[in-house]
Amino acid sequence: NAGVTQTPKFQVLKTGQSMTLQCAQDMNHNSMYWYRQDPGMGLRLIYYSASEGTTDKGEVPNGYNVSRLNKREFSLRLESAAPSQTSVYFCATATSGRGNEQFFGPGTRLTVL
Amino acid sequence: GIQVEQSPPDLILQEGANSTLRCNFSDSVNNLQWFHQNPWGQLINLFYIPSGTKQNGRLSATTVATERYSLLYISSSQTTDSGVYFCAVDNNAGNMLTFGGGTRLMVKP
Repeated sequence: NAGVTQTPKFQVLKTGQSMTLQCAQDMNHNSMYWYRQDPGMGLRLIYYSASEGTTDKGEVPNGYNVSRLNKREFSLRLESAAPSQTSVYFCATATSGRGNEQFFGPGTRLTVL
Repeated sequence: GIQVEQSPPDLILQEGANSTLRCNFSDSVNNLQWFHQNPWGQLINLFYIPSGTKQNGRLSATTVATERYSLLYISSSQTTDSGVYFCAVDNNAGNMLTFGGGTRLMVKP
């Protein structure tokens, strides 16, 4: 039972390159989330998916796209990376969206040069 | 949106000491969670506590929802307690957790 897994753990990109961050969960949870954490700060929500087939914007969605591939997998794509997207990215899951406990993956540390 | 404030921002303890961390929030909440972010960056769930009191070993938490605050108690602190403690809340407006700025704790041997 791995919980929430994220790949890759680390990534370095050049400005303008694209990449996809992967998240998978085996907790049978309906809701999945992508957050970013900038140095010295708490996490901020980028996008979330309340159930398979649905996605919604969070607090800081600009520059990102997401895909809820199936119940287990939720990916985050940077189409044209910018230095401002240098951050640690966390995926999270919850049984259902509102008012339910969220569980976080180990994070992906992304640097954009 | 909802505002979440944590205090103190930084805390240095000697091993064995006790401490209380505070989280104030500006609106009613459906969910309140405490997390420990360890030095490797991993977020560890400590408590899911939208109201009431819970205890887990040396840690306990109390949320007084009517007065919009939560407290995290750490007793007999150990060096492994070092890291950043975050409070996060989810109000009626949507699915997102809003995080406080965190309390950075250092426990010295």
